[in-house]
Amino acid sequence: NAGVTQTPKFQVLKTGQSMTLQCAQDMNHNSMYWYRQDPGMGLRLIYYSASEGTTDKGEVPNGYNVSRLNKREFSLRLESAAPSQTSVYFCASSEREVGAGRRQYFGPGTRLTVT
Amino acid sequence: RKEVEQDPGPFNVPEGATVAFNCTYSNSASQSFFWYRQDCRKEPKLLMSVYSSGNEDGRFTAQLNRASQYISLLIRDSKLSDSATYLCVVTRNTGGFKTIFGAGTRLFVKA
Repeated sequence: NAGVTQTPKFQVLKTGQSMTLQCAQDMNHNSMYWYRQDPGMGLRLIYYSASEGTTDKGEVPNGYNVSRLNKREFSLRLESAAPSQTSVYFCASSEREVGAGRRQYFGPGTRLTVT
Repeated sequence: RKEVEQDPGPFNVPEGATVAFNCTYSNSASQSFFWYRQDCRKEPKLLMSVYSSGNEDGRFTAQLNRASQYISLLIRDSKLSDSATYLCVVTRNTGGFKTIFGAGTRLFVKA
């Protein structure tokens, strides 16, 4: 089992460029999440998908879009990258929405720099 | 004020020491609580869930105090391999599902 995989691992974009971050999980989990992590701050939830076919905004959704392509895959798209989106992006999954004892499994992260 | 607050540290302790971290949360509707561990430039990994009755996993003990709205993590007999950042995580489902991470507490265990 690979768990949660993310591509790419690193990316440099110019302001205004677009890109899609890919995430896949092989644990048959229902829920998937996208977070960003900035220095000195906790991970912040961008979007999540409680189940296939549904997506909802998290704490910091502006400037991002998501697609739950199927049960395994959940992608994050930056339509017009801005320097403020320079961050480390983590994808995560859980069997169901995180509750008592329901852990999230994280991918290795994508380090994105926008110049 | 952040919804989940942690002392950023760093905590510098010798091997074998006992160290405790606290985390406070401000929303009384918070439902589930976790401690995650994050090594430098790596992804967070679950250390333990935190239950109202308190729970222990080897050298690690977690406690929840709902009345005072804080959770704690106690590490006994610290090992060099315990050096990491410890993240406090709180979830709730009021006004939509929310997972809130603390900024983390850095721990360095020295030989």
